[in-house]
Amino acid sequence: ETGVTQTPRHLVMGMTNKKSLKCEQHLGHNAMYWYKQSAKKPLELMFVYNFKEQTENNSVPSRFSPECPNSSHLFLHLHTLQPEDSALYLCASSLELNEQFFGPGTRLTVL
Amino acid sequence: AQSVAQPEDQVNVAEGNPLTVKCTYSVSGNPYLFWYVQYPNRGLQFLLKYITGDNLVKGSYGFEAEFNKSQTSFHLKKPSALVSDSALYFCARSTNAGKSTFGDGTTLTVKP
Repeated sequence: ETGVTQTPRHLVMGMTNKKSLKCEQHLGHNAMYWYKQSAKKPLELMFVYNFKEQTENNSVPSRFSPECPNSSHLFLHLHTLQPEDSALYLCASSLELNEQFFGPGTRLTVL
Repeated sequence: AQSVAQPEDQVNVAEGNPLTVKCTYSVSGNPYLFWYVQYPNRGLQFLLKYITGDNLVKGSYGFEAEFNKSQTSFHLKKPSALVSDSALYFCARSTNAGKSTFGDGTTLTVKP
């Protein structure tokens, strides 16, 4: 256990559904990250939040919408996804530029 | 240009032999370098890091890495591989601007 939790662990959704992924850390970290991991591209950085402010959006389609209400919680809102969005979505947190602590991921399947 | 490169998709070694997983980085600013390991169906786990100081860094599970400025490399090493070391290994870098970049990963297979 790294101290970063993600829910749900598995999610199957249709292309017209709306769902949200949740990430939580109580490590006192100031930065939180969303990554997409798929067979095509091993690890893609999607979003970075530092002290609740988004500092990076890596050209992610608008059907992915992040939300960071406080330094401990990070959400990824999903709507009208495509089958190619099926992947493992990983959340991580860190203190400044130090090592990142990863959650177990959410395995997303879009039908 | 990619900030971190892992030139090998796959590394195979026999149990008990030394292992090396390669990583090179592009030169811009002071590199904060990291190694992570990912076991099947799990998130990434931090192994070790180089921020400053000694070029040889020791980490979890007997792994170590050497920061080589002249060769811009940060190869991961272990003197004697275990079958349980078989996993996906990622090299990563953070910049002063707060940007993190991961390599494409190297699958290590240790055969008994």
